[in-house]
Amino acid sequence: TQLLEQSPQFLSIQEGENLTVYCNSSSVFSSLQWYRQEPGEGPVLLVTVVTGGEVKKLKRLTFQFGDARKDSSLHITAAQPGDTGLYLCAGSQGAQKLVFGQGTRLTINP
Amino acid sequence: DAGITQSPRHKVTETGTPVTLRCHQTENHRYMYWYRQDPGHGLRLIHYSYGVKDTDKGEVSDGYSVSRSKTEDFLLTLESATSSQTSVYFCAISEFGQTENYGYTFGSGTRLTVV
Repeated sequence: TQLLEQSPQFLSIQEGENLTVYCNSSSVFSSLQWYRQEPGEGPVLLVTVVTGGEVKKLKRLTFQFGDARKDSSLHITAAQPGDTGLYLCAGSQGAQKLVFGQGTRLTINP
Repeated sequence: DAGITQSPRHKVTETGTPVTLRCHQTENHRYMYWYRQDPGHGLRLIHYSYGVKDTDKGEVSDGYSVSRSKTEDFLLTLESATSSQTSVYFCAISEFGQTENYGYTFGSGTRLTVV
């Protein structure tokens, strides 16, 4: 059983479209992180959200932490081919360890 | 300069042979982790270390052992490799008290194939 469920697992859209990726759990997390991974490389941290209801923006990417701190979403506006990659959410429950979702493989077609 | 390096980057080994993967860091971080990444499963924790000679199991530790004799090095050993251990292995580091806000720094991974 996956502690963090990401959806969709695969997403292929055209350049310029908007998209949202979801990360859901029945457990409460003290923080939620989003990573992006490119082929042949390790994941790289994009953002951390720590407060219920928190919204953070990183250029065209908007991250939100659910009010109950059990879920998060990543919204990309006007997607570009450079956004292509594997997006991973990860939750912390305060024990210096992270639990990862299965990942969302995003492809942006020119 | 990469603060964390993994070696080798690729390895093919035969079933039943022992294999050791190495993770080296230059950040002097206390915590080091080994994860495996498989399609549909994301990243799953194998073992982690919270200091020299201090290690603990993760959720998929069977068939793996680790050692940390120096702050900078964390070794993962597959005692007798099986085909189910074919995977991409990632090492990650984190400083005490900072995981929650700053997450991990990952290495570039080792692709292991067991034939």
